[in-house]
This record gives sequence, structure tokens and C-alpha cells, in this order.
Amino acid sequence: QVQLQESGPGLVKPSETLSLTCTVSGDSISSYFWSWIRQPAGKGLEWIGRVLAGGTTNYNPSLKSRVSMSVDTSKNQISLSLRSVTSADTAVYYCARAPLADIWGQGTLVAVSS
Amino acid sequence: DIQMTQSPSSLSASVGDTVTITCRASQGISNYLAWFQQKPGKAPRLLIYAASTLQSGVPSRFSGSGSGTDFTLTISNLQPEDVATYSCQKYNSAPHTFGRGTKVEIK
Repeated sequence: QVQLQESGPGLVKPSETLSLTCTVSGDSISSYFWSWIRQPAGKGLEWIGRVLAGGTTNYNPSLKSRVSMSVDTSKNQISLSLRSVTSADTAVYYCARAPLADIWGQGTLVAVSS
Repeated sequence: DIQMTQSPSSLSASVGDTVTITCRASQGISNYLAWFQQKPGKAPRLLIYAASTLQSGVPSRFSGSGSGTDFTLTISNLQPEDVATYSCQKYNSAPHTFGRGTKVEIK
């Protein structure tokens, strides 16, 4: 059974970098794309981007200048970095198996505040 | 980028009713359309992919249709456990944009 678990700081200061990790268990990350998706409280889902094990990435144009994703196949982990954060980046962040998003992590809340 | 317009934003129906949610793409996306159900405090759950293919384990009262730019999610015989927010997502090419969601409540 494939499981995804997001981890990282729950609080980030404005202008700093948000860094999250998604650990995949039960499957090799080499076979799929992996997406990051976020959801501000009370709002809809926003696709951040996706990464393939070989390093291929696609990002949401609205975030492209600040986001990067990578894969560590030795640890079966996917990473997300979002630079220069503001309060607008406060959200629950999910990782999901792409392209169908058929498997999701439980999500992790990241608040941006000083 | 292709925009996904979902309607209505919310609806209220009685147990046993049939409800319909629509999703319109600003450009054709063939059948690369998925529907998700999300309950409060939980991660979204994939219901339908390829516009009309039911994900394993999803009750048959959920169905999807459409192709190109216009898509529909139908819930037949609405049940109390169907109270949730439903969102569409295109996945033909990046970005995999979501619709804004439809909140379904029971009268």
C-alpha cells in the first residue's frame, strides 16, 4: 500500500524559504511524477507543480519564479522549496502521486508569520 | 494557461436527490479531467478520472461525463456521507489547474 507523508516546519517567517519533504513508502518514486498542491484555509486547491525522478519539473506559472522541486531516490523523497514567502503562502501543503493524484499525503499546515 | 470554471459554487439538496456539478475548460482538454471529493480536514480523494472512469472503491452513484471543454459530475441518490466539496482538475498538460470547488450540503 502506497503512502505519502509530508514533513517540515509548521511556521516560516516572511521573506524566508519554505522547505517541505514528502516521503513515499510502499512504492518506488522512480515510476511516477509527483505533485505538490496547496490549499489556503477555506479556499480551493492550487497546483504548485510536479517532478519526475529524473529531474523533469513543471511549475505553476504563478509560482515559477519562487519554487523548486527535487527528488532523492535513495531516500524515496520529494522536496519542495518556496522562496520569499508571504502570508499568502500560508496553506495546507499536500504531495500526491501524479498525474492522476490518486494517492495523497495527509497534508501539512505551513503558516507564514513573524 | 487553460482555466477551469466550476459551477455552482455551492448547492443544497435532499437525501435521495440527483445533483449535477459542471466544469468548463477554457480550451479543449480531450478527456483529461478528474473529479475529487474533499471532506473537512481531510485530503482530497480521487473519484473519477479520464472524465468518466470511476476510481476503484468509489460508489457507483458517482458518475462523470464530457469531453473537450464541458464536463459533468453527477451524484445520484445523494447520501449524507456525500456532504463534501467537489473539485475538478485538468491533467492533459501542465499546469494541472483545479476548479474552485462546489460545496454540497444536505437540506
